[in-house]
Parts: sequence; C-alpha cells; structure tokens
Amino acid sequence: GENVEQHPSTLSVQEGDSAVIKCTYSDSASNYFPWYKQELGKRPQLIIDIRSNVGEKKDQRIAVTLNKTAKHFSLHITETQPEDSAVYFCAASRNFGNEKLTFGTGTRLTIIP
Amino acid sequence: GAGVSQSPSNKVTEKGKDVELRCDPISGHTALYWYRQSLGQGLEFLIYFQGNSAPDKSGLPSDRFSAERTGGSVSTLTIQRTQQEDSAVYLCASSKYRQFFGPGTRLTVL
Repeated sequence: GENVEQHPSTLSVQEGDSAVIKCTYSDSASNYFPWYKQELGKRPQLIIDIRSNVGEKKDQRIAVTLNKTAKHFSLHITETQPEDSAVYFCAASRNFGNEKLTFGTGTRLTIIP
Repeated sequence: GAGVSQSPSNKVTEKGKDVELRCDPISGHTALYWYRQSLGQGLEFLIYFQGNSAPDKSGLPSDRFSAERTGGSVSTLTIQRTQQEDSAVYLCASSKYRQFFGPGTRLTVL
C-alpha cells in the first residue's frame, strides 16, 4: 500500500520568514495530494491540494509543488504569521475524490513572534 | 452550509464495554470515511463508504471494529469490547471530491 513520509516533524520559524514542509510517497499511481492544517483540539482543515497534471499551485501565501518523477511534494508558506502555528499533514491518494487518503505523520509548525 | 458533525464529542468508557460513534456527513456527499488519530500521531484510515458499493474495510484494526452507513447518509462506527489501545480521536470525513472532516469524537478507555 501507499506510504507517505513527512519532514520535518517540528519546525520553528521567525514571523515573516518562509516555511517549507516536504513529503515523499511510495505509490507511483497516486495522483492527488492535499494538505491539511490542524490547530490544537480542532478538526483538520483542507488548505490546499494539487493534482498530478500540474507541478505547482498557489493560493495567496501558500503554495504546493509536486515532482512526480521523484515522488515528492512540498508545502511552502511565505510571510508567516502567528496564526500559521499548527500541525500540518500531507496526504496522498490514487484518485481525486472518493478515495481514502494516506497521511504523513505531521509537522508541528511554530511561528516565533 | 452545515459541515460534518459527530457525536458524542467525548466518550469515556470502561475496558470491555461497547461504544457507538456517530457521523452526519455534509448533505449531498456520496463518500464517507472514518479515520483514527492517536495522541500526537497522524490520521489512520479505518473504513470508507461510497454510495451503494461495498465498503472498503481494509483499515479496520480488528474484528471488534465495524461500521455501517444507513440510507447513504448517517454512519455509525461501533467498537466492541473496547481496549485501552482504542483510546484515540475518531474522525469522520465526507466528500463529493475533496474530503472535509468533522470535529471528531475523543474516546478514552479506562
């Protein structure tokens, strides 16, 4: 089955700087890669996703890049703010929609004011 | 519109008891998923329902776990003879395409 590895497990960044979280996956048939943000005691919230027909997607301060050849994808957060502090999870699945997700183990991001 | 809802929000039970966890998906979402999140860990897939198809039960950790989805909407996850290692947050998600999560049920087995 699919295996998703995520690094780093913890990340501290000065406010205003950029943060990068990286994930690798094992199943070459995977073609959908969402990212979820989970604040303490809250539900995971989808913040951005990418499908394998594109290499990069941006939404304001957040971007995701995908390298299908190397089987890795990354989350980039620019101009970080205190409210970006949370645990971030990457995930992968074979289909966009109606397919179980395999999650990475999470990255605890702390923004230092 | 209303998001995914789950009940109860917290459940404390004694080892050996059965528990039922409920999930109400977003209206119109055909797929429903159950995941488990142990303390400080990632999300572990348990079971997935899609329309009238047979559910994908490949993530259920033992035969003490079962789930059903009635009328293509509400789902119930049942854990029989609970063990301490079942303590976790049980998250439900529904999707038309993207998955949206409920707030979870925190299960504590004493």
